This record gives sequence, C-alpha cells and structure tokens, in this order.
Amino acid sequence: AQSVTQLDSQVPVFEEAPVELRCNYSSSVSVYLFWYVQYPNQGLQLLLKYLSGSTLVESINGFEAEFNKSQTSFHLRKPSVHISDTAEYFCAVSDWRSGYSTLTFGKGTMLLVSP
Amino acid sequence: DSGVTQTPKHLITATGQRVTLRCSPRSGDLSVYWYQQSLDQGLQFLIQYYNGEERAKGNILERFSAQQFPDLHSELNLSSLELGDSALYFCASSATLGGGDTQYFGPGTRLTVL
Repeated sequence: AQSVTQLDSQVPVFEEAPVELRCNYSSSVSVYLFWYVQYPNQGLQLLLKYLSGSTLVESINGFEAEFNKSQTSFHLRKPSVHISDTAEYFCAVSDWRSGYSTLTFGKGTMLLVSP
Repeated sequence: DSGVTQTPKHLITATGQRVTLRCSPRSGDLSVYWYQQSLDQGLQFLIQYYNGEERAKGNILERFSAQQFPDLHSELNLSSLELGDSALYFCASSATLGGGDTQYFGPGTRLTVL
C-alpha cells in the first residue's frame, strides 16, 4: 500500500521569503508524484508532476519540486513567495498497475504568506 | 475553471436520508473519480469509473454507490446518511485510466448532515 506524509500542517512565511513544503511517500512499486494546490472555496488544481526523466520539475508560477528516490521525497520549493500563494498544498502519489491507478493524497500543508 | 462541473454546490439534509451528487467530466475525459474531503480524514479516494465501468474502489462505504452513464456524467449516491458523512465531495476527471494523467477537479459539493 502507498502512503504520503506531509510533515507540516501549516507553514507561515513572509512575502518574498523562500519556502519548502515537505513530502515523503512510501510505495512498493514505481510511482508518479504530484503536487496539487487548493485555494479557499475551490477545487484542487495541479501544480506540477513527476512521471519520469529529470528529477527536477517546475511549474509555470515559480514552484519546483525534486524527486529523490533514495529518500522517497518530493519536496516543493519556491525561492520567493507572494501573498497570492496562500493556499493549501497537497502532495499525492499514484502507482500504475495494470488497468487502473489510484491517487493517494497527504493531509495537506497550509501555506500562509503574510506581508 | 477546470471544465469539471458538480451539482449541487451545497446540500443540507438530515440523518437517515439519501442524496445524489452529480458530476460532468471535462469534454473528452473518460475517467471519473470521486473523493471525500473532511477535516479528520483529509482527502480520501472513493471510487473510479472509466467509460461506464467501475475500475477502482477506495475507502467507499457500503451505503455509498456510484455510476457513470453513457454520456459519461457520473452520480454518487449516499444513503442512510450519518453526521459523519458531512464533508466536501469532489469529482475529478482524466483523459484515460490514470497513472500519470492529470486529474482535473470540480469545485465540489459541500454536504451537511444535521
């Protein structure tokens, strides 16, 4: 069975500061990894995903995440956050088995950006 | 806007009742997923349908059932409702069976059981 651990339930930062949201996973098979973001009163939106290839993946709004197989981690980083980045961030893992897949989410990390 | 629509946005009902949540996937997507989001359990996968057939089951209670119709919209039926069923229910869709596919989420249906 697969599981995802997001080590911080809440991360407060000041605007323009760097941030790292931590995610560790466990799975017995090869995985795909995702970060989703949920703004208040909205559904989840994909931020970025790792399928294969380069272990560093980037989003269009400045976030990046690095897949580390030996540490089973997929931490999300941004060098300089904005107020508008305030949201809940979910790490998720999917394993590809024959014919179907399931997406397992972590508990989420609330990123609170203040001026 | 993800292209996934869910109705209704809010639903308030009483214990013991039965409700139906509806989801229309993005145009062209064949896979539909249902998730439950609550404060204590987080985001839990319930069930997946692909092109009308059930493909995967997660932590879905026996009181809950779902189906996907020929036009690919899906309904989640919740019966004998309990207070603990109060949650946000999300539908998501993807183009194929999943794996590395991006799942696009709807805005959710907030269910309150009184």
